[in-house]
Amino acid sequence: DAKTTQPPSMDCAEGRAANLPCNHSTISGNEYVYWYRQIHSQGPQYIIHGLKNNETNEMASLIITEDRKSSTLILPHATLRDTAVYYCIVSSLENDMRFGAGTRLTVKP
Amino acid sequence: DARVTQTPRHKVTEMGQEVTMRCQPILGHNTVFWYRQTMMQGLELLAYFRNRAPLDDSGMPKDRFSAEMPDATLATLKIQPSEPRDSAVYFCASGPGQGIETQYFGPGTRLLVL
Repeated sequence: DAKTTQPPSMDCAEGRAANLPCNHSTISGNEYVYWYRQIHSQGPQYIIHGLKNNETNEMASLIITEDRKSSTLILPHATLRDTAVYYCIVSSLENDMRFGAGTRLTVKP
Repeated sequence: DARVTQTPRHKVTEMGQEVTMRCQPILGHNTVFWYRQTMMQGLELLAYFRNRAPLDDSGMPKDRFSAEMPDATLATLKIQPSEPRDSAVYFCASGPGQGIETQYFGPGTRLLVL
């Protein structure tokens, strides 16, 4: 069973920030939070990961609450090409990446 | 631009036939993962290799599935005999193998068993 809870779907207007929430209330101290996305018919793509601190890269920002029980992935300026299923995963082991159902983000013009 | 490659991209076969799927990990990566994705089950880990040695294949049906790494540039997943319930997209992913890490996925093999 996935250790995370995500809303099944979200919409976002093109050019606006997309904020995707993830609850992981049972996260352990040594578990990282990972975000991947899967664009239709393609393999999942790594976006970002973090342990405690907020992280930012060229794709997105990851905000982790102080108690680490939830996080938010932020796509600062969503484009139509960001339409995908976004997976939030918590794991401390490279062979324990359990992909749940994810959030289907639809970016609308 | 280093990528994981998988062949074939599509495979249609009849029940009972052997299916072999191949994966070329990113050069220098020493961990390889096989996943299966279906609408009902989502993305499931089947097997995991590090330095060509199988470390975890608990997610794989042992009676018909086998996974190997003949060399560092090739990973194979075989199904013999195949069944209609094996129809799915099979993804290979590789990683640099430095502990907890990101995984880089291939484009997948879409298998249909009739």
